[in-house]
This record gives sequence, C-alpha cells and structure tokens, in this order.
Amino acid sequence: EDQVTQSPEALRLQEGESSSLNCSYTVSGLRGLFWYRQDPGKGPEFLFTLYSAGEEKEKERLKATLTKKESFLHITAPKPEDSATYLCAVQATSSGGSYIPTFGRGTSLIVHP
Amino acid sequence: DAGVTQSPTHLIKTRGQQVTLRCSPKSGHDTVSWYQQALGQGPQFIFQYYEEEERQRGNFPDRFSGHQFPNYSSELNVNALLLGDSALYLCASSLVPTENTEAFFGQGTRLTVV
Repeated sequence: EDQVTQSPEALRLQEGESSSLNCSYTVSGLRGLFWYRQDPGKGPEFLFTLYSAGEEKEKERLKATLTKKESFLHITAPKPEDSATYLCAVQATSSGGSYIPTFGRGTSLIVHP
Repeated sequence: DAGVTQSPTHLIKTRGQQVTLRCSPKSGHDTVSWYQQALGQGPQFIFQYYEEEERQRGNFPDRFSGHQFPNYSSELNVNALLLGDSALYLCASSLVPTENTEAFFGQGTRLTVV
C-alpha cells in the first residue's frame, strides 16, 4: 500500500527564519509528487509537481526538491502570509495503473511576525 | 476566469438523510475528482469522472455515488448519512484523467451530520 508521511505535523517559525518540511513516501514507481498549500476552511492550492529524483522547482520563497524516498519543501525567509497547511501527494504505478493520488496529513506552518 | 466552484459551502444534515453536492470545473477542464477531508487529515480520493463516466474509485462504499453532466459539471451524492460522513468535501478539476496534470481544487463543502 502506498504511504505518504509528512513531518513535522506542526511547525512554528519566526518571520525570516528559514526551514524545511519533509514528505517521505513508500511507493512502487513514482509517477509524480505534488505539493499543495491549504488555508483553513479552503481547498488546496497547487504549488508544484515533481517527477524524478534530482528535480527542483521554485516559486517565490518556496523551493521543492525530490529524492527517491522523500521530498522537501524549503521555505526561505518566511512571512506571516506563508502560514498554512502544506500537503504532499503522490501518484504511483503501484496504484494498479490508476492515477489515484495519496495525500499525506500535512504540515501546519505558523509564521509569527 | 472562474476557477472550480462548489455549492453549497456549508450543509447540516441528519443521520440517515441523503445529500447532493455540486461542482463546476475550471474553464477548459473536463475531468472532475471528488475528495473527502476529515479534520486534521489529508484529502481522501472518492472517485473521478471523465466523459460522464466514473473512471476511478477510491475505497468508499456504494452509498457514495456521482454523476457528470455534458457540460462537465458534477454531483456527489451520499445516501444514508452517518455521523462519520461529516467532513470537508472537495472537488478538483483537471485536463483528462492522466498523470502529470495539476488539479485545481474548489473551496469545498463543509458537511455536518447530526
């Protein structure tokens, strides 16, 4: 069974204090790994898709990287508006040919001014 | 350009009742997926519709059913509601049900079963 584990569950940072969120996965044949941002009571907002180990993508203060076992979401000099829950999801060939994504539980990030 | 829209935003139902949730996909998208998100959990895939047919289904009972219309909008129906069905129901749209396509989510419908 595909598994996606995100850590830490919660993270509190001071404004400007850089850090990283982790998404580790156990799947057979990764098709794609997705990062989403979710604000309270809202739907997830797409951030990145990564397809292969070594790939990196950046958007403003966020940078996502991928290895064969995990992905990191690096947040550089965060601002209070970066506070949200960050979700990781994977699609894998072990899903029996389907494209059903498996989501992690997310990391709740709070950035204090 | 309107993104994914869902209605209603909030709903309170009694155990045993039936509910219908609605979703209009992002302009240009033809594939709609439904997810259930319990508090503190990640979204769980319910099913996906493409060309008015259910293409993929997650591990949900037959009480959960859906429909897609010719204009690509979709409905999620849940029969015989249980207290455990209380959750945020999310609709996501994308271009064709293939890999490597980013999904855009709606704001969700918060369903409370009492």
